[in-house]
Amino acid sequence: GQNIDQPTEMTATEGAIVQINCTYQTSGFNGLFWYQQHAGEAPTFLSYNVLDGLEEKGRFSSFLSRSKGYSYLLLKELQMKDSASYLCAVRGADDKIIFGKGTRLHILP
Amino acid sequence: DTGVSQDPRHKITKRGQNVTFRCDPISEHNRLYWYRQTLGQGPEFLTYFQNEAQLEKSRLLSDRFSAERPKGSFSTLEIQRTEQGDSAMYLCASSRSREGLETQYFGPGTRLLVL
Repeated sequence: GQNIDQPTEMTATEGAIVQINCTYQTSGFNGLFWYQQHAGEAPTFLSYNVLDGLEEKGRFSSFLSRSKGYSYLLLKELQMKDSASYLCAVRGADDKIIFGKGTRLHILP
Repeated sequence: DTGVSQDPRHKITKRGQNVTFRCDPISEHNRLYWYRQTLGQGPEFLTYFQNEAQLEKSRLLSDRFSAERPKGSFSTLEIQRTEQGDSAMYLCASSRSREGLETQYFGPGTRLLVL
């Protein structure tokens, strides 16, 4: 079966750092995505990892360990506009992309 | 605006009616995906196309659901005999398959309410 797990909700303070974890069990692996989704809007692409290691893009970084079936999204210097859901998604061997349920991130002033 | 458009943006219908949604992907994208999303959940895969070929269909997709992409460009998703449980946001995404990164770009979605 295919399973993607991430925490349901997290809370952090403006200016701080937060790490959102994702673990997955899928039939094959062809890459892991992170998306941001504001309430009532479509998901927008944040990052893509296919090899182990850390990918940094501005305030956002994403890490992948294929042997552990694990990824995290790191958000630095949090801003109020970062309040959103963060979706972890995995592309399997069949190229189908499966999403986790998302992590709702609340930023406090 | 990602360049993927969906029509209509909102649809209210009565139980038992048929509805059809349209998705226009980014023009050079050969892959097109349909997802369904309910409140508090991530997008749920329904089906996807590579050009005009429908490559996979989720087991969640009952016989009341059908999708087409006749010329490998726009796609339609039809739901027949709608049920209240079909109420959800229907998202379309497109991508260009190639070695390495394949980023999906999502449309704004069609929000369906079945009364």
